[in-house]
Amino acid sequence: AQSVSQHNHHVILSEAASLELGCNYSYGGTVNLFWYVQYPGQHLQLLLKYFSGDPLVKGIKGFEAEFIKSKFSFNLRKPSVQWSDTAEYFCAFASGGYQKVTFGTGTKLQVIP
Amino acid sequence: SAVISQKPSRDICQRGTSLTIQCQVDSQVTMMFWYRQQPGQSLTLIATANQGSEATYESGFVIDKFPISRPNLTFSTLTVSNLSPEDSSIYLCSVDSRSSYEQYFGPGTRLTVT
Repeated sequence: AQSVSQHNHHVILSEAASLELGCNYSYGGTVNLFWYVQYPGQHLQLLLKYFSGDPLVKGIKGFEAEFIKSKFSFNLRKPSVQWSDTAEYFCAFASGGYQKVTFGTGTKLQVIP
Repeated sequence: SAVISQKPSRDICQRGTSLTIQCQVDSQVTMMFWYRQQPGQSLTLIATANQGSEATYESGFVIDKFPISRPNLTFSTLTVSNLSPEDSSIYLCSVDSRSSYEQYFGPGTRLTVT
């Protein structure tokens, strides 16, 4: 069955610290990968996506993610977090020709000023 | 991008009743999706709704419990029937972009069943 694992459920960082959130997916075929973010009181929105090409993708607000096919991973990174990055982050993927998206359980990031 | 609104934003319902959630999109879309996000859990797809055809339900979700309507390309409703406390959750509507699998989400409806 298709699944997404996010390793960290709750992460607390100080401002300026570096961030890496782990994401692994379980699917043997071609995938499209996403990171979504939900800021407090706001809609779920797309942070970045990978479809093909350069496995290192850059998203909004200085976030980036690297697709490592051999590891079935799509980890999210940011070199220096800000208090405004406090949010919940969801890794997700869509497989094949069907537009169903499978989400991970989410990681709550709390950035302390 | 697409702008999605949902009504109601939240509701408290009694056991055994039903709640109908509306989802309105500001542009025409082919597919609309309904998700459930239970407390402390991820988003789970309930069903996919195409205009003019029956909704496609995911494993574990049935039409009798979650009837869906899709009368046109900008609107859909999800009804959660015969409510029990286990149905307390956030219900989200989403649509996909025309050129990718990227999805746009509504603000969600927070349902509490007492």
